[in-house]
Amino acid sequence: GESVGLHLPTLSVQEGDNSIINCAYSNSASDYFIWYKQESGKGPQFIIDIRSNMDKRQGQRVTVLLNKTVKHLSLQIAATQPGDSAVYFCAELRYNTDKLIFGTGTRLQVFP
Amino acid sequence: DAGITQSPRHKVTETGTPVTLRCHQTENHRYMYWYRQDPGHGLRLIHYSYGVKDTDKGEVSDGYSVSRSKTEDFLLTLESATSSQTSVYFCAISESELKAEKLFFGSGTQLSVL
Repeated sequence: GESVGLHLPTLSVQEGDNSIINCAYSNSASDYFIWYKQESGKGPQFIIDIRSNMDKRQGQRVTVLLNKTVKHLSLQIAATQPGDSAVYFCAELRYNTDKLIFGTGTRLQVFP
Repeated sequence: DAGITQSPRHKVTETGTPVTLRCHQTENHRYMYWYRQDPGHGLRLIHYSYGVKDTDKGEVSDGYSVSRSKTEDFLLTLESATSSQTSVYFCAISESELKAEKLFFGSGTQLSVL
C-alpha cells in the first residue's frame, strides 16, 4: 500500500528538466550519506551514496553533492523521466553507531 | 530485492495478540535490520542484528523484540500488538561486512492492528 502520507514536501518538474532534491542532515559527525528512491507499495531502492571525505559523486543521470559546512545534501537528477516519480529519502550514518538514520522524504512528481 | 523475502506481506490482527514477522535472506549477510514506516516519520529503526544471537535496539524499540538464531532469518515480534503499531515494516540487509552501508530493503509487510 501507500507508504507515505499526504504532507511530504513535493517537487513538481516537467519531463526532461533537471530535478534537485535537498536534504538537511542533523549530525556533523555523520560519515556516510545515501539516497533512496521509493515507489508506491515498494521498499526503498538504493540510488547513490557518498562518504564524508567527498563533496560530489556522480552516477548514471544522478549526482549527489555534500556540503559539510552547512550540513546539506542534494540529489540532482538529469533529464527527469516519468519513471523518476517517487519519494526520495536521504539517510546519514555515523560509523561508530552502525545505524542509518533516514529523513522524512520528498515526493517528486514528473509531468509531461 | 537482494535475496530478501518478508512474510507475511499483509496481516490484520487484533489488539493484544502476538505477531511475528519474518525476514529471510539468501546471501549470508551479517547485518540485518527492521524498520517501520509511517506517514510524516519516514523510516525509523526498530532493531538490528550484527550476527547470530547479536542484536541491538534502534530508536523505536519499545514493544518489539527480535531474534536471530540463524544467519538467514531475522524475526520481529510484537508481544502484544497495539494500534500504534499499525505500520509498514521493512527488513533490510547491508552488503558491507564492516559497516552499515548501502542497505537493501525487502518489499515490506503491511500490518494493521484493530
